[in-house]
Amino acid sequence: QVQLVQSGAEVKKPGASVKVSCKASGYTFTSYDINWVRQATGQGLEWMGWMNPNSGNTGYAQKFQGRVTMTRNTSISTAYMELSSLRSEDTAVYYCARVSMVRGGIGGIDYWGQGTLVTVSS
Amino acid sequence: DIQMTQSPSSLSASVGDRVTITCRASQGIRNDLGWYQQKPGKAPKRLIYAASSLQSGVPSRFSGSGSGTEFTLTISSLQPEDFATYYCLQHNSYPKTFGQGTKVEIK
Repeated sequence: QVQLVQSGAEVKKPGASVKVSCKASGYTFTSYDINWVRQATGQGLEWMGWMNPNSGNTGYAQKFQGRVTMTRNTSISTAYMELSSLRSEDTAVYYCARVSMVRGGIGGIDYWGQGTLVTVSS
Repeated sequence: DIQMTQSPSSLSASVGDRVTITCRASQGIRNDLGWYQQKPGKAPKRLIYAASSLQSGVPSRFSGSGSGTEFTLTISSLQPEDFATYYCLQHNSYPKTFGQGTKVEIK
């Protein structure tokens, strides 16, 4: 069965960086894009960007350009999302998610990780 | 960017009620839309893909319809386990965008 298992909660100071991992199992890691989505407490879902684990190609939402980096290690089927220059507004649960294949399209999200709480506080 | 306007933002309903949630896209997105259910403290779960296809394992009381700019999620007979927040997601073009969410509460 498809599983995405994320790293544990993090507490960071403003200005620091955080790197969240997402280990995939139950499918061929390099065959499906990974997206990252975040959710502040009591708020809606916010899409951050995508990564193709096969090529390493990425694309980021404008809001996060210059602060986010999505990478992967194919030998251990793990994706990473690093967010830098953290501020209090970045406090949220961060989700990795697998993108389902769609012919002629960019695909929706079919499976989600369990989420990683990142708290930014001085 | 494509804006997804979801309504209502919340609703109160009773077990057995028929519930309808709508998402409107700011431009045509074909049928590149999914619906998700999220319960407190949990990751979202996909219910519907390609606007109207039921995800495997999801009860048949959930259905989706629409194409282009207007989409609907219907719960034909609300069950206790359906009280949750629902989101639509467009994946027609980047950046992908979510609706603001609809919280379904017990009346």
